[in-house]
Amino acid sequence: AQSVTQLGSHVSVSEGALVLLRCNYSSSVPPYLFWYVQYPNQGLQLLLKYTSAATLVKGINGFEAEFKKSETSFHLTKPSAHMSDAAEYFCAVSRSGGYNKLIFGAGTRLAVHP
Amino acid sequence: DTGVSQDPRHKITKRGQNVTFRCDPISEHNRLYWYRQTLGQGPEFLTYFQNEAQLEKSRLLSDRFSAERPKGSFSTLEIQRTEQGDSAMYLCASSFEVDKAGELFFGEGSRLTVL
Repeated sequence: AQSVTQLGSHVSVSEGALVLLRCNYSSSVPPYLFWYVQYPNQGLQLLLKYTSAATLVKGINGFEAEFKKSETSFHLTKPSAHMSDAAEYFCAVSRSGGYNKLIFGAGTRLAVHP
Repeated sequence: DTGVSQDPRHKITKRGQNVTFRCDPISEHNRLYWYRQTLGQGPEFLTYFQNEAQLEKSRLLSDRFSAERPKGSFSTLEIQRTEQGDSAMYLCASSFEVDKAGELFFGEGSRLTVL
């Protein structure tokens, strides 16, 4: 079975500060890993994905994530937060070689203060 | 193509009534998924279609829930005899089979409130 744990349901940073959102996964097979962002009253939008190529993945809006197999982690970072980054972020896992069913974490709400 | 569309965006109903949600996926996508999202939680998988075949159903999908995709294009999710616990956002997503590691493209969701 696969699962995702996101540490910290709420994260608050100042504008310009580093953003770090944590995600740990559990999977008995090589995983594919995703980060999605959700703005209020909207659907989910893909930020980035790991598919067994480069372990450091760059996404949209300046976000990136690093796959660390030894730590079973896929943390999301951004060097400098912007007010527009305030949203809910979801980490998700799916099985490589299977169909694209995603298992999501509970989410982390990011607040950005001026 | 404007992406995945869902209708209605909001539905308020009384307990015991039936409701139906519609999802139109991206036209070339043959895979379609339904998820449910409650407040403060991540999306939970409900069911999955490949073309018109429903290939997986979650245990979350009780007998009161039924999903169809009759012609392999749009899909409907019906909830019969709604309960207050059914209040949630119902999200539809689609993907392209060939893209094994592909992302799911989500619609904006249908929010259900059961009074």
